[in-house]
Formats: sequence, C-alpha cells, structure tokens
Amino acid sequence: GQNIDQPTEMTATEGAIVQINCTYQTSGFNGLFWYQQHAGEAPTFLSYNVLDGLEEKGRFSSFLSRSKGYSYLLLKELQMKDSASYLCAVRDGDYKLSFGAGTTVTVRA
Amino acid sequence: ETGVTQTPRHLVMGMTNKKSLKCEQHLGHNAMYWYKQSAKKPLELMFVYSLEERVENNSVPSRFSPECPNSSHLFLHLHTLQPEDSALYLCASSQEYGSSYEQYFGPGTRLTVT
Repeated sequence: GQNIDQPTEMTATEGAIVQINCTYQTSGFNGLFWYQQHAGEAPTFLSYNVLDGLEEKGRFSSFLSRSKGYSYLLLKELQMKDSASYLCAVRDGDYKLSFGAGTTVTVRA
Repeated sequence: ETGVTQTPRHLVMGMTNKKSLKCEQHLGHNAMYWYKQSAKKPLELMFVYSLEERVENNSVPSRFSPECPNSSHLFLHLHTLQPEDSALYLCASSQEYGSSYEQYFGPGTRLTVT
C-alpha cells in the first residue's frame, strides 16, 4: 500500500504562518492534493501539485519535491476560520488516490 | 441543489438491519466514489465508479454493496453491519476518473451501528 505521513496536530496564533508537511512513499506518482475539512463538514479542495515547485493561491501555498517525496502546505495570515483538518492525498502510478490521516490545525486568538 | 448531496445525514442502525445510503451529484461528473472516514484514520477508498462501471476493486466486506444506476447517483447498501463499521461515509465525484481532476465531496452520512 501507500505510505503518507503528516503531523497529527498543530497550533498557531491568529495572523501567524503555519507549515504542514507531508511525506509520501508511493508506487509511481501522478499528483498530490491538499484538502481542508472543517469539523462535521465535507473535505474541500485546496491545491494540486504535479510538478516540482511552489503553487500560490491567495493565503495558501503548496510546495512539491518529487525527488524527496515531500510536500508542504503553507497557511499565511492565519484566521480563526482556518482551524480545520488538512488532508494530504497522493495519486500513485495507477491513478489510485490515497489520503494521509490529516493534520488538525488549531488557531488561537 | 448544487454540488454533491448525501442522504441521510445521520443513521443509527442495528446489526440486523438493512439500510441504504444515497449520493447524488449535480456537477455533470463521470466518476463517483465512496469513502469511509474513521476518527484519526486516513480516508479509506471503498468503491469507484466511472461512467457507471466499477473501476477499482478494494478489499471491502460484502456487507457493503454499491450500486450506480446512472452517472449522477450512487448508493451504498448496508446489511448485517458490525459496530466497527460506525464511521462517516463520504461520497465524492470528479470530472473524470484519474488524471488531475480534484474530487468534490458530499457532507457525509454519520453512521452508528448498535
């Protein structure tokens, strides 16, 4: 099976920056996704990386290094509404999508 | 209705009951998925349908039976479940199966097996 690791929990202060790391070991690679999931709600798509480098989308950025099997999601200017679980998901060589267990981010005032 | 809808939102059933979960997508997508989400565990892909045909064969107990009558609807039929099957069941859809298309998730059905 696939192995996707991300920290279980992170806490940060409103207005700060938080970086959520994700490492993966898969059979082949066809893209990495980040999803946000608020408690009791559906996951929603944040970003997609298939080539190395940084993708910026407003306050959120996602980085990928395929050679290192590594990605991070960067959340800037944190707001209280950013408190949620962040899911890293990797599509392998057979286009199967596997998810990490998620990182719960708590933003404190 | 827009996006992906699921009914019911909450379900409590006994181990001898038979029930069905329903998912409907209003996005014109060709692929639909069932996931199981247990606390502190990764999302587990259960079933995938592309153009109404099942395309992935994951190890799911036979007490879970999917049905995809058309590209907009997906059902999960449940019978003789176990308490460990209690979880959030999420439905998702995507434009096509595979490639870079992101998945759009429904709000889920919170299932409790007593």
